[in-house]
Amino acid sequence: KQEVTQIPAALSVPEGENLVLNCSFTDSAIYNLQWFRQDPGKGLTSLLLIQSSQREQTSGRLNASLDKSSGRSTLYIAASQPGDSATYLCAVIEDSSYKLIFGSGTRLLVRP
Amino acid sequence: GAGVSQSPRYKVAKRGQDVALRCDPISGHVSLFWYQQALGQGPEFLTYFQNEAQLDKSGLPSDRFFAERPEGSVSTLKIQRTQKEDSAVYLCASSPGTVSSYNEQFFGPGTRLTVL
Repeated sequence: KQEVTQIPAALSVPEGENLVLNCSFTDSAIYNLQWFRQDPGKGLTSLLLIQSSQREQTSGRLNASLDKSSGRSTLYIAASQPGDSATYLCAVIEDSSYKLIFGSGTRLLVRP
Repeated sequence: GAGVSQSPRYKVAKRGQDVALRCDPISGHVSLFWYQQALGQGPEFLTYFQNEAQLDKSGLPSDRFFAERPEGSVSTLKIQRTQKEDSAVYLCASSPGTVSSYNEQFFGPGTRLTVL
């Protein structure tokens, strides 16, 4: 059974720091991996989607990498800002499936 | 509308009450998903519709949970005889195509259910 783990569970950093969020998954037979952002009381906003054949995706200050063989992904946030404070969720879709399987998330606080 | 909408946004129920949660997907989206998110956890899959057909209900936790999408648009998740463990955020997502080739899922804001 696929399990997705995110480390750390919570992170507090001063504004301007570069930071890395980690995601690992137990079964490498994935179709793609997706990073989401969730603000309190809000739904999920998709940040980056990496197809299984890709190694990384970039959007603005965000960069996500995927190492499918080792079952790992990282989300790199450059020059963090207080507005980046949110919960970041990693999710995979397995081959021949459509269900997003989520980690428990990393709660990020960027202090002014 | 521009995105997926859900109502009500918050629902408080007494244990044993029945509740109905509504999801309005993005117009024209074929696929619709329900997920359950317990406090401090990631969302977990409940059920999937392709148009009006419920193709997968493997994630529904018990027979007290029932979902429908009779006209292939709006969907309702019904929970009968609510229990405290049903307290969670219920998220709806829609996707433009079928799941034969993956299409991004767009999420609504969720309904936070609290069972007292």
